Amino acid sequence: GENVEQHPSTLSVQEGDSAVIKCTYSDSASNYFPWYKQELGKGPQLIIDIRSNVGEKKDQRIAVTLNKTAKHFSLHITETQPEDSAVYFCAAKNSGGYQKVTFGIGTKLQVIP
Amino acid sequence: DADVTQTPRNRITKTGKRIMLECSQTKGHDRMYWYRQDPGLGLRLIYYSFDVKDINKGEISDGYSVSRQAQAKFSLSLESAIPNQTALYFCATGGGNQPQHFGDGTRLSIL
Repeated sequence: GENVEQHPSTLSVQEGDSAVIKCTYSDSASNYFPWYKQELGKGPQLIIDIRSNVGEKKDQRIAVTLNKTAKHFSLHITETQPEDSAVYFCAAKNSGGYQKVTFGIGTKLQVIP
Repeated sequence: DADVTQTPRNRITKTGKRIMLECSQTKGHDRMYWYRQDPGLGLRLIYYSFDVKDINKGEISDGYSVSRQAQAKFSLSLESAIPNQTALYFCATGGGNQPQHFGDGTRLSIL
């Protein structure tokens, strides 16, 4: 089955700096890669996603890149703000069967004012 | 109103008790899911349902059961709770080629 590895597990950055979270996946049939942000006491919420036919996607301060050959994808947050502090999850969805979504273990991001 | 509502939000109970966690959604999605979140382990799938008549086990279904009462309602039961089922539980809808929408979770503690 699919295996998604995510690192780092914790990340501290100064406000205004960039943050990068990296994930690798094992199943070459995976074709959809969402990123979720989980704030304290809340459920994960989608912040950006990318499909396998695209190499990069950007939404304001957030961008995701995908390297299908290497089977890795990354989340980039620029000009970080204190409200970016949260746990971030990457995920990969395969194209076969019931289209199972496999999540990474999460990255706790702390933005220091 | 939230698109995915979970009740209760917090629950403390004793070993051996039967517990039901409820989930309702207003998004009109056919697919619904139950996940468990533990520190360092991410989100793990317990059960999923593609419609009212379709229920499937996920990767960690032992000790759990589910009921899909209607398109909008999907409940998770622990027939005889044990301490290692202490966790944060999330219901979600959507999926397929679209993102999932999560509820705000139920924090369950089993003493």
